[in-house]
Amino acid sequence: AQSVTQPDIHITVSEGASLELRCNYSYGATPYLFWYVQSPGQGLQLLLKYFSGDTLVQGIKGFDAEFKRSQSSFNLRKPSVHWSDAAEYFCAVGASGGSYIPTFGRGTSLIVHP
Amino acid sequence: NAGVTQTPKFRVLKTGQSMTLLCAQDMNHEYMYWYRQDPGMGLRLIHYSVGEGTTAKGEVPDGYNVSRLKKQNFLLGLESAAPSQTSVYFCASSGGDVVTDTQYFGPGTRLTVL
Repeated sequence: AQSVTQPDIHITVSEGASLELRCNYSYGATPYLFWYVQSPGQGLQLLLKYFSGDTLVQGIKGFDAEFKRSQSSFNLRKPSVHWSDAAEYFCAVGASGGSYIPTFGRGTSLIVHP
Repeated sequence: NAGVTQTPKFRVLKTGQSMTLLCAQDMNHEYMYWYRQDPGMGLRLIHYSVGEGTTAKGEVPDGYNVSRLKKQNFLLGLESAAPSQTSVYFCASSGGDVVTDTQYFGPGTRLTVL
């Protein structure tokens, strides 16, 4: 079975600073990987996803993520954070075979200081 | 095109009461899911459906039942509510292509059981 770990419960950054949110997964084969964002009081919105091919994935809102098989990681990055990026971020991993049901991490809360 | 909608948005129940949460999607998606979100726990899958008339258990199915009588609707029932079921419930849907299709989430239902 697949699993995903987000080591950081909270991350605080200053507006304009760079951001990296960590995600580590466990799965025996090539995983499907996702990052979602949840603004307060809202549902989840997909930022980006990785299935195969280029290990650097571009997403919406200026985010990208790099799949590193050797480190079992899929970290989310943004070069310059805006105050509106303050939200909860979830990494998810899905299996590459059978009935696809993604498993979500516990989330990382991003706090942005002005 | 409303996407995924959930009814109701808020609900307060007393222990032992029953209720049904309704999820509707207008994207003709095959897959539908019910998750619960608790602080520090991320999203946990309750039940899911891979098509009209089918349902399957997820990670935390106890105390819940579901039905998918119509392709566009996925109902989550609580027969005898308990305080441990206080949570925010999210419905999601996705297409039948497990490689490329994204999960789309509803806005959530906040349930409190007293």
